[in-house]
Amino acid sequence: GENVEQHPSTLSVQEGDSAVIKCTYSDSASNYFPWYKQELGKRPQLIIDIRSNVGEKKDQRIAVTLNKTAKHFSLHITETQPEDSAVYFCAASKRVSSASKIIFGSGTRLSIRP
Amino acid sequence: DTGVSQDPRHKITKRGQNVTFRCDPISEHNRLYWYRQTLGQGPEFLTYFQNEAQLEKSRLLSDRFSAERPKGSFSTLEIQRTEQGDSAMYLCASSLAEAGGEQYFGPGTRLTVT
Repeated sequence: GENVEQHPSTLSVQEGDSAVIKCTYSDSASNYFPWYKQELGKRPQLIIDIRSNVGEKKDQRIAVTLNKTAKHFSLHITETQPEDSAVYFCAASKRVSSASKIIFGSGTRLSIRP
Repeated sequence: DTGVSQDPRHKITKRGQNVTFRCDPISEHNRLYWYRQTLGQGPEFLTYFQNEAQLEKSRLLSDRFSAERPKGSFSTLEIQRTEQGDSAMYLCASSLAEAGGEQYFGPGTRLTVT
């Protein structure tokens, strides 16, 4: 069935260092990969996404890479700041007209050490 | 606030009671989704609507759960004969299919079944 695995489950990095979160997906028909950030007690918020026709996308300190052959995708956060502390979820979706549900990974709790 | 709203934000109920939650999507969004999130996990897809049509239901959605979107605007999720295992955060999201389908989440309804 459809599955998204995410690693690590927890990650602690020194402020200013980089953080990398990795995900794999099982459904080869997936073609849209959003990343959500969820702060404690708040709603998930979309921070970046990538479509299957692109291998890499960058937005300021955040970048995502996608390897469709290996069914891997990753989130990279550079120059981490205290406000980056949160739980991050990767996800996968088939963006066709009748099947656009999102399958989420289990989350990575990122802590930034001052 | 023009984002997705949910009501109530918190609900405590006794086992066996029925509960109903409401979601108001972003006004021009034609797709509406329900997810369930338990502590330490990513959101799990329950069901989604395009306009008033319910297009997909997860096998997680037992016969005690029913969702409606009668006029293609707000939606309700009802849980009958609640069980302690139903305790979770129920998240609603909406999207505009024609705009690429990015999903925007509401703040959630936290259900506690005692």
